[in-house]
Order: sequence, then C-alpha cells, then structure tokens
Amino acid sequence: QVQFVQSGAEVKKPGASVRVSCKASGYTFTRSAIHWLRQAPGQRLEWMGWINPANGDTKYSQKFQDRVTITRDTSATTAYMDLSNLSSEDTAVYYCAARPGLAVAGLDFWGQGTLVTVSS
Amino acid sequence: EIVMTQSPATLSVSPGERATLSCRASQSVSSNIAWYQQKPGQAPRLLIYGASARVTGIPARFSGSGSGTEFTLTISSLQSEDFAVYYCQQYNDWPPLTFGGGTKVEIK
Repeated sequence: QVQFVQSGAEVKKPGASVRVSCKASGYTFTRSAIHWLRQAPGQRLEWMGWINPANGDTKYSQKFQDRVTITRDTSATTAYMDLSNLSSEDTAVYYCAARPGLAVAGLDFWGQGTLVTVSS
Repeated sequence: EIVMTQSPATLSVSPGERATLSCRASQSVSSNIAWYQQKPGQAPRLLIYGASARVTGIPARFSGSGSGTEFTLTISSLQSEDFAVYYCQQYNDWPPLTFGGGTKVEIK
C-alpha cells in the first residue's frame, strides 16, 4: 500500500535551516507529484509547494518562495523539503502528501507529520 | 489567492444527528474542492473530492454538494468516530492550494 514515512521531530534556533524527508513506498515514485504542507498549532493547513519527481519540476507558494526548496532522490524514492531562515512562526507540523498521478486535486496519501519547533 | 471560509467554527451535535458544514470560496472554484477529516495528532484524511465524489472506503453518511463559491459537507447521522475537525480545500486555481480554517464537530 502507498506509504509515506517522514523524518523525526526537529528543534532549531531562529535563523537556522531545517530539512524534512519523506520516504515513499508502495507505488512508482515518479508517477505522482509530492506536495509539502504545514500546520501551525491550532491553525489551518498551509500549502508550501510541490515537486514532480519525474523531472524535478517544482512550484512554490509565494509566501515561502524565498525560503523553501523541495528536491527528490529518485533512487531513494524520497522527497525533501528545506526551509531556511527559521523563526518562531515556522513552528508547525510539516506534512508530505500526494495523490495518484500528476493532476492536482484532493490529497489521498499523507505522511505522519514532522514537528519542527523553532526556539531560542 | 483564493480564500476559503468555513462556518461555523464549532458545531455541537448529538450522536445520530445530522451535521451540515459550510465552505465558501472568495471566487468561483467550479467543483474543484475537497473535504478532509482530521483527528488530534493525525494527518488529514481525504473524504470528498470534486465537491461530491466520495473517496473509496468513506461511509455513505458523508456527502458533499455545491459548486462555484458555496459548498456543503453533510454527515447524515453522526457516529462517535466522526467527531473531529473538517477542512475544505480548493484546487481550481493554484499555486497555492488553499484550505479553510476548519469546523470542529464536537459532542453536544
């Protein structure tokens, strides 16, 4: 079955960067785009960006455009989300998610979430 | 960016009763919306896509309707496992995908 396993919780200081990984299994990695989203405590979900694993094409939310980079390693069937210049406002649970194919619609499959805490 | 607004923020319902959740888009999104259920400490779970199509395995008591800017998620007879937060999401005009602020369905 389709499964996404994310890396573990992180604690970072303001100004630092964080990398969250998302290991995919149960399907052909290059056939489905992977999205990254986050959810701050008590807040709505925020979409950060998207990668097409087949060719590495990315799209980012303007809000995060200058600070986020999404990459993938097809041999490891893993996607990565790097977020730089962290502040306390980046404290959130970060998710990877996908649906079959490259068309954008509802997201069927989600990772378990990675808590990133930014604190001095 | 399309803004999604959900109402009410909290809905108190007794088990067995009907729950009606609303979602409004700041501009037309055709039928390109999805609904999710989220329980504490868990990732969201996709329930509905295309405004009204139920995901395989989702009980028939969940139904979605609407088009354009006004959408509704109805839970016909609430079960204990349905008490959760529900989010709508539009995918008509992206990036970015945008989500509503959620409706918490709690036990009355």
